[in-house]
Amino acid sequence: GAGVSQSPSNKVTEKGKDVELRCDPISGHTALYWYRQSLGQGLEFLIYFQGNSAPDKSGLPSDRFSAERTGGSVSTLTIQRTQQEDSAVYLCASSPRGGRQGYEQYFGPGTRLTVT
Amino acid sequence: AQTVTQSQPEMSVQEAETVTLSCTYDTSESNYYLFWYKQPPSRQMILVIRQEAYKQQNATENRFSVNFQKAAKSFSLKISDSQLGDTAMYFCAFMTPNRDDKIIFGKGTRLHILP
Repeated sequence: GAGVSQSPSNKVTEKGKDVELRCDPISGHTALYWYRQSLGQGLEFLIYFQGNSAPDKSGLPSDRFSAERTGGSVSTLTIQRTQQEDSAVYLCASSPRGGRQGYEQYFGPGTRLTVT
Repeated sequence: AQTVTQSQPEMSVQEAETVTLSCTYDTSESNYYLFWYKQPPSRQMILVIRQEAYKQQNATENRFSVNFQKAAKSFSLKISDSQLGDTAMYFCAFMTPNRDDKIIFGKGTRLHILP
């Protein structure tokens, strides 16, 4: 079946502009996660959705970052007034969250954001 | 606090050799899951193997196996007969189900398989 998809795959934007990153999780997966990965670094947790609600927003680095999820499916990560330090790969993952299907996360290919 | 530590930032081995990547974690929980993820240069994160803490038997997936030492809180990954396609960043990860569902990742080990 289809995996997690993300769009765009690459985004170049000017400092100060707003950007929206989209994630389509695997159908039926209730949990959705956003991570940020700077060049050659590990994963920085941003936010987690269970259904449409976000019980854990603790990783969002500033109030310029927001995310929403609608219909328990697609999620959008929005970065307002982008700064150069926002340049990174943004990864989305979904998980069936338990039961026989397990707890592992399935990752999308990521969106590489470059702020000039 | 729950943490995952990968003490080897980078490793290189010759093709066909066996290599072991180390991972230790810290938790007070008794029920949890451990994972190894692979991220090749294409940047797509792929699950390599997972281990449930309540299972004593070490997980195995073809050339990949783990050495899970619960008392020592150690979860190393062994890659046998390494192949050029195994070149990637490898992340160890930990999760406590039904708590906050957040997977905690280590900082990764960059593995180079040399021809």
